[in-house]
Amino acid sequence: EAGVAQSPRYKIIEKRQSVAFWCNPISGHATLYWYQQILGQGPKLLIQFQNNGVVDDSQLPKDRFSAERLKGVDSTLKIQPAKLEDSAVYLCASSPRQIETQYFGPGTRLLVL
Amino acid sequence: AQRVTQPEKLLSVFKGAPVELKCNYSYSGSPELFWYVQYSRQRLQLLLRHISRESIKGFTADLNKGETSFHLKKPFAQEEDSAMYYCALSSGSARQLTFGSGTQLTVLP
Repeated sequence: EAGVAQSPRYKIIEKRQSVAFWCNPISGHATLYWYQQILGQGPKLLIQFQNNGVVDDSQLPKDRFSAERLKGVDSTLKIQPAKLEDSAVYLCASSPRQIETQYFGPGTRLLVL
Repeated sequence: AQRVTQPEKLLSVFKGAPVELKCNYSYSGSPELFWYVQYSRQRLQLLLRHISRESIKGFTADLNKGETSFHLKKPFAQEEDSAMYYCALSSGSARQLTFGSGTQLTVLP
C-alpha cells in the first residue's frame, strides 16, 4: 500500500512570497489532516477534512493560510503572503475515518527568509 | 483546553537499561492517548494507543487518570529504539490530536 505523498519536500522562499504544498493521501482514506511542526515542537493541527468538507480549521491562520480538498482526494495548503514565523515542516496525514490511526507523509520543509 | 506535556527534551540510556519517557496531560473529558515515534529519516508513525493495551516493540504505556499521566516504558532498551517520541491526546468530536513537544531518546551502546 502506497503511503501519503507530499510535494515538494523542501522549499525556500522570501517573506511576503506565496507558496503551496500538495498532499495525496492513502487511497480510500476519508480524513485528511494538515499539521505545522515548528522546530523543537510537536505537530500542531491546522486543518482537518472529512472527504471534501472541513471538520476543524480553528487553528488555521485564515488571513494568510488556505487549504482545499477538491473531490475529496488530493489537498493543497497555501500560504500567502509568507512570514518568517511560517518556517516549519508541514505534515499531511490521512486516516480511513476520524477515529482511526493517522498515517503521516514525509513532510515539506519550508524556510522563509 | 487540552495540553500534553513531555518534560524531557532529551533522554539517554545505555543498551539493556530500563527506559521511561514521561507524558502528562490536561483534559477535562475522557482521554484517549497515543505514543507516536519518528525514527531517523522516517515518517512519524503510531507506536501504541492506550485503548489497545498492547505491547509494541517491547514498549508499554499505562493510562493513570489520577496522575493524568501516560508514561512510555520499556524494561530493556535497544539501540534501535533511538528516535523521537511524541505523546498525543485525542479530543473533541472530530478526535483531533494534540501533540507534546517530544522526547529524543538515545540508546547508547
